[in-house]
Amino acid sequence: DAKTTQPNSMESNEEEPVHLPCNHSTISGTDYIHWYRQLPSQGPEYVIHGLTSNVNNRMASLAIAEDRKSSTLILHRATLRDAAVYYCILTNFGNEKLTFGTGTRLTIIP
Amino acid sequence: GAVVSQHPSWVICKSGTSVKIECRSLDFQATTMFWYRQFPKQSLMLMATSNEGSKATYEQGVEKDKFLINHASLTLSTLTVTSAHPEDSSFYICSPQGDRRANEQFFGPGTRLTVL
Repeated sequence: DAKTTQPNSMESNEEEPVHLPCNHSTISGTDYIHWYRQLPSQGPEYVIHGLTSNVNNRMASLAIAEDRKSSTLILHRATLRDAAVYYCILTNFGNEKLTFGTGTRLTIIP
Repeated sequence: GAVVSQHPSWVICKSGTSVKIECRSLDFQATTMFWYRQFPKQSLMLMATSNEGSKATYEQGVEKDKFLINHASLTLSTLTVTSAHPEDSSFYICSPQGDRRANEQFFGPGTRLTVL
């Protein structure tokens, strides 16, 4: 399976944008880039996904590098409720089992 | 998103007892169920995959006789931790999947098991 690399932790001030990077240099042409987050003591929740083009939804934006070897999850205006562990995961098909890495623990500073 | 429930949300038991965790998909039919566990400060690790009406497939290192999975219906799956020991204390999370390709996967809220 293609692997992803994320920083272990990041901090951001409340109400400021947050850019969470993810490297996936061995990504294949059919791999989708998915982001999930896990709030404390909860199960993971879907954030966003993309294949080649940048994507926006109500939660976040996903910027994908032209060579697809990296991507960035963008939270446009972080709130305290965005404090969580964010996982960048490559999947080949939507219903397959997910392999979670260590993720990035995001701390929001009031 | 889909509604997934787990029961109980937390449980404390004595060593040697068995604990059953239920996972229900409330608004869609789960043909596949993934069970994960998460130790403190660690990431989620897949334990097993089950398809409705079939035996579960366990990941390497997960004892099938210790972690019994039943997926007898499309809305309910159970994970039974038999003869639990303190090292089984963990956060157990189910993830039901339907039979159609989905862009997102859904997860239960998790069950925290503490074995004394």
